[in-house]
Amino acid sequence: EAGVTQFPSHSVIEKGQTVTLRCDPISGHDNLYWYRRVMGKEIKFLLHFVKESKQDESGMPNNRFLAERTGGTYSTLKVQPAELEDSGVYFCASSQGDYTPDQETQYFGPGTRLLVL
Amino acid sequence: KNEVEQSPQNLTAQEGEFITINCSYSVGISALHWLQQHPGGGIVSLFMLSSGKKKHGRLIATINIQEKHSSLHITASHPRDSAVYICAVSGSRLTFGEGTQLTVNP
Repeated sequence: EAGVTQFPSHSVIEKGQTVTLRCDPISGHDNLYWYRRVMGKEIKFLLHFVKESKQDESGMPNNRFLAERTGGTYSTLKVQPAELEDSGVYFCASSQGDYTPDQETQYFGPGTRLLVL
Repeated sequence: KNEVEQSPQNLTAQEGEFITINCSYSVGISALHWLQQHPGGGIVSLFMLSSGKKKHGRLIATINIQEKHSSLHITASHPRDSAVYICAVSGSRLTFGEGTQLTVNP
C-alpha cells in the first residue's frame, strides 16, 4: 500500500509568487494534517482536516495560506503571495480516523522543501 | 520555553553504545510519540505510548506521566540508527520537540 505522498519534493520561488503544495494521504484515511518546520525550529501544526472539513486551522500563520481538501481525498496548501519567512519543510500526515485523532498514529509524507528567495 | 523539551540536542556515540534521549513536556497529553527522521527522508512513527513502556527491536520507549517525562533508549546502537529523533505529544494536536540529532560512528 502506498504511503503518504507529497508533491513537489522541492520548490524554489521568488517572493511574491504563488506556490501550491499537494498531499495524497493513505487511501481511506479520514484525518489529514499539515505541518511546517522552519529551519532551526521545531515542527509546528498548521491544520487538520477530517474528510473534507477543516477540523482545526488555528495553526495557519496568516491569510496568505489556503488549504483545501475537496472530496476528502488529496489536499492542497497554497501560499499566495509567498514571503521569505515561509521557507521551510512542509509535511503532510494522515491517520485512519477509527479512534479519536489524539490516540492514532500519524503517517507522514516525505515533505516539500520550500525556499522563497 | 517550548512545551516539549528534548535533550540532548546533539548526540554522538560509538557503535554498540547504549543511547538515551529524553523528553519533558509541560502540558496535559493524551499520548506521547517518538518519531524518526533520516537525512533527506520523511518522518516515521516509532512509538505511541500513554503509559509504561514499549519495546520494538533495539528500541525502548518509556513514559512517566506523573513526572511528564519520557525516554527513548537504543541498545547496541548501529550507524544506521543515525537520524533525528523527535518527541511529540498529542492533545488537541501534535506538539513537537526540536529533535535530537543522533550520529552513531562505526
